[in-house]
Amino acid sequence: GAVVSQHPSRVICKSGTSVKIECRSLDFQATTMFWYRQFPKQSLMLMATSNEGSKATYEQGVEKDKFLINHASLTLSTLTVTSAHPEDSSFYICSASDTGPSSYEQYFGPGTRLTVT
Amino acid sequence: GQSLEQPSEVTAVEGAIVQINCTYQTSGFYGLSWYQQHDGGAPTFLSYNALDGLEETGRFSSFLSRSDSYGYLLLQELQMKDSASYFCAVRGPGGKLIFGQGTELSVKP
Repeated sequence: GAVVSQHPSRVICKSGTSVKIECRSLDFQATTMFWYRQFPKQSLMLMATSNEGSKATYEQGVEKDKFLINHASLTLSTLTVTSAHPEDSSFYICSASDTGPSSYEQYFGPGTRLTVT
Repeated sequence: GQSLEQPSEVTAVEGAIVQINCTYQTSGFYGLSWYQQHDGGAPTFLSYNALDGLEETGRFSSFLSRSDSYGYLLLQELQMKDSASYFCAVRGPGGKLIFGQGTELSVKP
């Protein structure tokens, strides 16, 4: 199946700093990528839809100035958590779908565990 | 608004059959997906139903009734490795997925 990678897998940062997370589709082109956040023992919450070459679409309640998304190419989307605070500590997961006949299937990256101290 | 409901936890024994139900209320519906997630891991795709009926993939089957806004995941011949969280997710406009709260399945020997 298709492979999506994320980098870094884990990051610890100090409060007030910014962190960039990369999401790459390794063997297919993804015009659309999605970013989710998951707190322990909870569900995946969709944060935003990242479209190649255009602005991301954010879900209600997600601050677009805090969570900057850039989708510069068909294989790379980045999420930057700006001025991170301890409450931003979470598991961030991206997903991508290709444009083939099975485009209903989203392929998830391995996730990035962010800890803000 | 959009909401999905599924049981929070289910326990079963090895070799048994278990059914995880999911009901949903959404403003746009294109299909119902099921994902498995082990602790600390990424969700992995299990099944998708766009139309009413049963889809079978090996030991896993998924059912959808759009008129009832209801679906289920059926796991047969349970194995210890099936212990994980299972999420139903509605596929909406633009391909985005809205996930249920997840069902934690514990398989006992």
